[in-house]
Amino acid sequence: NAGVTQTPKFQVLKTGQSMTLQCAQDMNHNSMYWYRQDPGMGLRLIYYSASEGTTDKGEVPNGYNVSRLNKREFSLRLESAAPSQTSVYFCASREGGATEAFFGQGTRLTVV
Amino acid sequence: GEDVEQSLFLSVREGDSSVINCTYTDSSSTYLYWYKQEPGAGLQLLTYIFSNMDMKQDQRLTVLLNKKDKHLSLRIADTQTGDSAIYFCAESFMNTGFQKLVFGTGTRLLVSP
Repeated sequence: NAGVTQTPKFQVLKTGQSMTLQCAQDMNHNSMYWYRQDPGMGLRLIYYSASEGTTDKGEVPNGYNVSRLNKREFSLRLESAAPSQTSVYFCASREGGATEAFFGQGTRLTVV
Repeated sequence: GEDVEQSLFLSVREGDSSVINCTYTDSSSTYLYWYKQEPGAGLQLLTYIFSNMDMKQDQRLTVLLNKKDKHLSLRIADTQTGDSAIYFCAESFMNTGFQKLVFGTGTRLLVSP
């Protein structure tokens, strides 16, 4: 059972480049989340999706876009990467009212 | 607004008890969680407590919730070197029809032999 799978695991971008971080879950969960993790700041919510076709901004959405085209996948796009977006990105999913959120292994992104 | 705070570091000796503290601001929280993150890995759920409970015990872990003070703690008994990790407190609450999940800053626990 794969759970939540994120790709890629590592990425280095030049300032101004674009890329999409992929996330897929095989647990048939409705809710999916994207967080970024920075030292001393914990996990901050970028965007979330309550169900297929719906997305909403979290705490730090600027510079990002998301797409939830189907129930399994929730992608995060950086249109023009900036050094401030250097971080570790985590995708998570859970069923609506359930207790546990399941996390992917993370994508370590460096923007130079 | 939602805000979850934790101290950044805790250092203990093997065999001692560790207590990690957390404060939160949203009084409508339904669940409160403790997640563990080992180096280079994602987050794994350790334990959780429903907001109408005061205490939950699970083997070496004890969670205490003071809803009046909006204070949550995690006690790890007989701390082992394998417990060294970052521990995140998180709260779940309903916001515009969606269960949001907000995390604290994380507490890095270092257990020395």
